[in-house]
Amino acid sequence: ETGVTQSPTHLIKTRGQQVTLRCSSQSGHNTVSWYQQALGQGPQFIFQYYREEENGRGNFPPRFSGLQFPNYSSELNVNALELDDSALYLCASSWGQGRTYEQYFGPGTRLTVT
Amino acid sequence: DQQVKQNSPSLSVQEGRISILNCDYTNSMFDYFLWYKKYPAEGPTFLISISSIKDKNEDGRFTVFLNKSAKHLSLHIVPSQPGDSAVYFCAARDSGGSARQLTFGSGTQLTVLP
Repeated sequence: ETGVTQSPTHLIKTRGQQVTLRCSSQSGHNTVSWYQQALGQGPQFIFQYYREEENGRGNFPPRFSGLQFPNYSSELNVNALELDDSALYLCASSWGQGRTYEQYFGPGTRLTVT
Repeated sequence: DQQVKQNSPSLSVQEGRISILNCDYTNSMFDYFLWYKKYPAEGPTFLISISSIKDKNEDGRFTVFLNKSAKHLSLHIVPSQPGDSAVYFCAARDSGGSARQLTFGSGTQLTVLP
């Protein structure tokens, strides 16, 4: 059974740039959620994708967008990067649209915006 | 507006003793509560959960207690082992909406001393 993988591991970008983060869900999982974890904080929900559609969104502006592909992998895109976007971005996969509470997390992508 | 709070940023316990991690919440729509453990450079790992209709769930050395009237839950680890040293996050699932997203506390760093 393959776990959740994320790429890249680390990324440094300049304010105003755009970034794409990638996630491969655990085998058999069809739902992907993205979280932002700022230093010293818990993960904060960005949005969730189920069957290639956005299924729910947290309190994040529209410059945070995503995609889910037919193989259930997913991308998180952030436009017009701001310094406060510096954080660990976590992807979590699960099975079923909100029917399971166990979400399995990847190791995260550490984004630094300078 | 922090709906899930972990008021102790850190906790040190002697090996073999009990570790008690606490969590408070404010949202009455939460229907499941989970504990995740996080090692450095890894994503959070699911540890144990409890439904809002129960007051206790046990899994080996880990027991979670839920006091709905006080909106409080706790994780007990007995006996504590050095390998338990990690950041522990309390999370709650929102029963409303299709995403059933998780809301996390800010975490407690547990250090088990040999």
